[in-house]
Amino acid sequence: NAGVMQNPRHLVRRRGQEARLRCSPMKGHSHVYWYRQLPEEGLKFMVYLQKENIIDESGMPKERFSAEFPKEGPSILRIQQVVRGDSAAYFCASSPRAAQETQYFGPGTRLLVL
Amino acid sequence: QKEVEQDPGPLSVPEGAIVSLNCTYSNSAFQYFMWYRQYSRKGPELLMYTYSSGNKEDGRFTAQVDKSSKYISLFIRDSQPSDSATYLCAMSDSGTYKYIFGTGTRLKVLA
Repeated sequence: NAGVMQNPRHLVRRRGQEARLRCSPMKGHSHVYWYRQLPEEGLKFMVYLQKENIIDESGMPKERFSAEFPKEGPSILRIQQVVRGDSAAYFCASSPRAAQETQYFGPGTRLLVL
Repeated sequence: QKEVEQDPGPLSVPEGAIVSLNCTYSNSAFQYFMWYRQYSRKGPELLMYTYSSGNKEDGRFTAQVDKSSKYISLFIRDSQPSDSATYLCAMSDSGTYKYIFGTGTRLKVLA
């Protein structure tokens, strides 16, 4: 029973490039959440998605960031024109049915912007 | 003031000790309280999940919630070197999926 999967685990980008982070939820989970963890800080909520719908993106910067969870395939967090301040660990979590269910986290993608 | 406060540590204890980890919070609407363990360069792993006040025990771990004091604790009995990790508290209010995390406490259990 595979857990939440994220790839790549490590991503290096130069300023101005695009970063694309992928998340496959646990089998049977249809709710996906993205969090960002900056050094010495706690995880911060970014966005909550269900299949083909963005439910809440209130924690996501208005510019350069976008997320999707298509009918088929993984959820994707896209960061356009990355800047050094985007360097962080990005974690995806999933839950089974209702949003109040326990969230299970993936191993994260560590983004480094040079 | 942060919504959730957690001492970053590091906290060093000898093997076999009882460890007490704590978080305080300011939002009285929080109803769900979680503890996650995060090993270096890994994702958070759920340890305990409690609703409202009271105690919950699972093996060597006990979670306590005191809503009147806005204070939660995680106790680890007979601590092992393999317990060395960062422990994150998280909480949410009823009907929301936005977990609010503490910054984490780094624990080192010395053999």
